[in-house]
Amino acid sequence: EIVLTQSPGSLSLSPGERATLSCRASQSVSSSYLAWYQQKPGQAPRLLIYGASSRVTGIPDRFSGSGSGTDFTLAISRLEPEDFAVYYCQQYGTSLITFGQGTRLEIK
Amino acid sequence: EVQLLESGGGLVQPGGSLRLSCAASGFTFSSYPMSWVRQAPGKGLEWVSSIVGSGASTYYADSVKGRFTISRDNSKNTLYLQINSLRAEDTAVYYCAQGGWGYSLDYWGQGTLVTVSS
Repeated sequence: EIVLTQSPGSLSLSPGERATLSCRASQSVSSSYLAWYQQKPGQAPRLLIYGASSRVTGIPDRFSGSGSGTDFTLAISRLEPEDFAVYYCQQYGTSLITFGQGTRLEIK
Repeated sequence: EVQLLESGGGLVQPGGSLRLSCAASGFTFSSYPMSWVRQAPGKGLEWVSSIVGSGASTYYADSVKGRFTISRDNSKNTLYLQINSLRAEDTAVYYCAQGGWGYSLDYWGQGTLVTVSS
């Protein structure tokens, strides 16, 4: 099983600032099958990024994903009020899919 | 428009059983793997199980293997999760999602709550 470790556990920033979220895998993620999801309270998760760096249609370009192998990053260039949420990384390159524990992005 | 609608959740006693359903529309159901993901109250996301488009192969998290069974009826565009021998730690919102091994979870249902309590 691939264990995904997200850091930091929580991040307190102000609107307009840049956020950088990290996801580290215990072993290499096959074919960069790494996704990022956003979840707001009381809502289902929403896919933002797949294939480590491909943005889903309709997701603002302030969201970007990067990385390969075992180290991946989600960056949000200029935080908007609606971006404050919990973010999860997920690997889908093996039959045993795994999620990171999440990073909570809070308004400072 | 892709829609996934879960049903079947509820309050069940420890050791009991439930069958969750997920009705899919807006895409060619049989062409996609499907998954169940759960979220315990106040906790993170936990992948539970996946099934390939044909239904021929299934995959389970160790925490549910032997107790949960995923299946699908492609003629009814419906995904199922049979959950047996329920434990308090199975209490969670259960989401169905389009995707699985090799596919991101592109679309999610709104979830159905399973509460295991005496």
